[in-house]
Amino acid sequence: DIQVTQSPSTLSASVGDRVTITCRASQSISRWLAWYQQKPGKAPKVLIYKASSLESGVPSRFSGSGSGTEFTLTISSLQPDDFATYYCQQYNSFPLTFGPGTKVDIK
Amino acid sequence: QVQLVQSGAEVKKPGASVKVSCKASGYTFSNYAIHWVRQAPGQRLEWMGWINAGNGNTKSSQNFQGRVTITRDTSASTAYMELRSLRFEDTAVYFCARFAVVVPTAHGFDSWGQGTLVTVSS
Repeated sequence: DIQVTQSPSTLSASVGDRVTITCRASQSISRWLAWYQQKPGKAPKVLIYKASSLESGVPSRFSGSGSGTEFTLTISSLQPDDFATYYCQQYNSFPLTFGPGTKVDIK
Repeated sequence: QVQLVQSGAEVKKPGASVKVSCKASGYTFSNYAIHWVRQAPGQRLEWMGWINAGNGNTKSSQNFQGRVTITRDTSASTAYMELRSLRFEDTAVYFCARFAVVVPTAHGFDSWGQGTLVTVSS
């Protein structure tokens, strides 16, 4: 199974900050990686797919990069609606696996 | 608009089975796959398995040791996930999610059900 890790596990930031979350896979997954945002009591919402493609309707302040084993999600200017937990997920091979999540909270 | 609507919360005893449904609307059901993902309290998302809604092919995570069965009814545009021999640690919110059958065209899990809480309690 491909293991997926994320860092940091928690991130305290202020509105307007630039935020970067890192995701690492235990072996190459090419660009088959997605990023999700989840708020308490809600289903996740896809932000980025294929490592860097922005899902329709997602604000352009979200961006993704990377390939192989290392990936990043960047929020260029954090907004109040962005305080949530973020997960990466590899879909290169079964079983599909998620990272442990990064909680972005208010500093 | 694309929508996945799941069945309601369940409370089960250890050793029992639970079957959760996921009704799709707003798109051609057979053109996509439905995946099942669960989330135990405070835990990460865990992939359980998937079904190609078109041809019915399925695959489940070996982490569930054969306890999971995923089926679909194309006439009802509905997918089902049955989990047997329930344990206390199966207490979780169970989600269905849509994924393109052809991986290069997939936008990840681009639509999710609202989640179904399954509580295993004696």
